[in-house]
Amino acid sequence: NAGVTQTPKFQVLKTGQSMTLQCAQDMNHNSMYWYRQDPGMGLRLIYYSASEGTTDKGEVPNGYNVSRLNKREFSLRLESAAPSQTSVYFCASRGGLRTGELFFGEGSRLTVL
Amino acid sequence: AQSVTQPDIHITVSEGASLELRCNYSYGATPYLFWYVQSPGQGLQLLLKYFSGDTLVQGIKGFEAEFKRSQSSFNLRKPSVHWSDAAEYFCAVLKSSSNTGKLIFGQGTTLQVKP
Repeated sequence: NAGVTQTPKFQVLKTGQSMTLQCAQDMNHNSMYWYRQDPGMGLRLIYYSASEGTTDKGEVPNGYNVSRLNKREFSLRLESAAPSQTSVYFCASRGGLRTGELFFGEGSRLTVL
Repeated sequence: AQSVTQPDIHITVSEGASLELRCNYSYGATPYLFWYVQSPGQGLQLLLKYFSGDTLVQGIKGFEAEFKRSQSSFNLRKPSVHWSDAAEYFCAVLKSSSNTGKLIFGQGTTLQVKP
């Protein structure tokens, strides 16, 4: 089983460029999440989708948009990248809101110059 | 607002020594509590979780954690550390009443293991 798959794994952008991070899960999970990880700050929630067809802002949504394309896929878009968005991005999914466990992808390392 | 604090940013222990990583949370009711581990260049893997019941929880890789309501703590322990345990460890909390499933993570503790 692939679990949660993120692409690309590495990306370098120039300030102002746009890009989309793709995420897909094959576990038939309802909920999906995008986190960013920065040194000393743990993981911070950007956006989440509690179920197909719904999306909501997390802790740090500014500068990002998301699309829950279907039950499997949840993409994160940077419309105009800024150096402050240099980070490692993780997608995660869970089967039920109360089962607790998040399953994480391996991360996408983004550098904005 | 609920929060999670991991007081130790970096911990170094010798291989074979015991380990305790601290985690304190702020939440009015009993939350759901988790410990995750992240090896370099990898995603996060669940070590253990507490929902209710026995306050001493066993996890994978020989880890355990104890929920102490009076201290709002959920510390992670291992009796004898192996070199492969070197990683970053995250404590996380979920509101038991949550209908969104959002986890709040602590800042993380980096564990270094000396030979």
